[in-house]
Amino acid sequence: EAEVAQSPRYKITEKSQAVAFWCDPISGHATLYWYRQILGQGPELLVQFQDESVVDDSQLPKDRFSAERLKGVDSTLKIQPAELGDSAMYLCASSANRGPDTQYFGPGTRLTVL
Amino acid sequence: DAKTTQPPSMDCAEGRAANLPCNHSTISGNEYVYWYRQIHSQGPQYIIHGLKNNETNEMASLIITEDRKSSTLILPHATLRDTAVYYCIVRVGSGYSTLTFGKGTMLLVSP
Repeated sequence: EAEVAQSPRYKITEKSQAVAFWCDPISGHATLYWYRQILGQGPELLVQFQDESVVDDSQLPKDRFSAERLKGVDSTLKIQPAELGDSAMYLCASSANRGPDTQYFGPGTRLTVL
Repeated sequence: DAKTTQPPSMDCAEGRAANLPCNHSTISGNEYVYWYRQIHSQGPQYIIHGLKNNETNEMASLIITEDRKSSTLILPHATLRDTAVYYCIVRVGSGYSTLTFGKGTMLLVSP
């Protein structure tokens, strides 16, 4: 069964450092999502791509976060500089199309900022 | 998207049916009801979704009331592996619609 891949699974960094997370969606899925999940809360959407284009980044803290999906396949989410409050699980999901299509989630990257 | 209300936690004995309620009294006609679950330290997993009719798949059944203001997710024979946080989400069925997660219901299945 096809899965969404994410790496690394765990990342520990010091504040003010740069971190990057990678996501490889299910093959053929046009839509890719990045979510952030703080402990005890539900996931919160950061950015949504349709192919290589950003269609929603309204909740992305653009002063320190950036996301790209250059060829419309895999994607990278970057934080620079990391802050203590960025400690969270970062989840990637993909769906075949936009709209009500089912989203399939990866295992996530657990980020700890010291 | 309409807001949903779920109990924060529920218990269920292994082998019994787990019935998880969700209230979505402000749901619109073009909004679907989705259920996802998240086992500890894993990504959310899709369970089922529906618009008006009841739905069943290999994982669960979804019962939506006639006025669509509430729904129930049924796990017919709960196992220990069903212990997870269950999220009920209402989502528009067109455009760049995404998922807005609440805090969900923590279901604990005990032996």
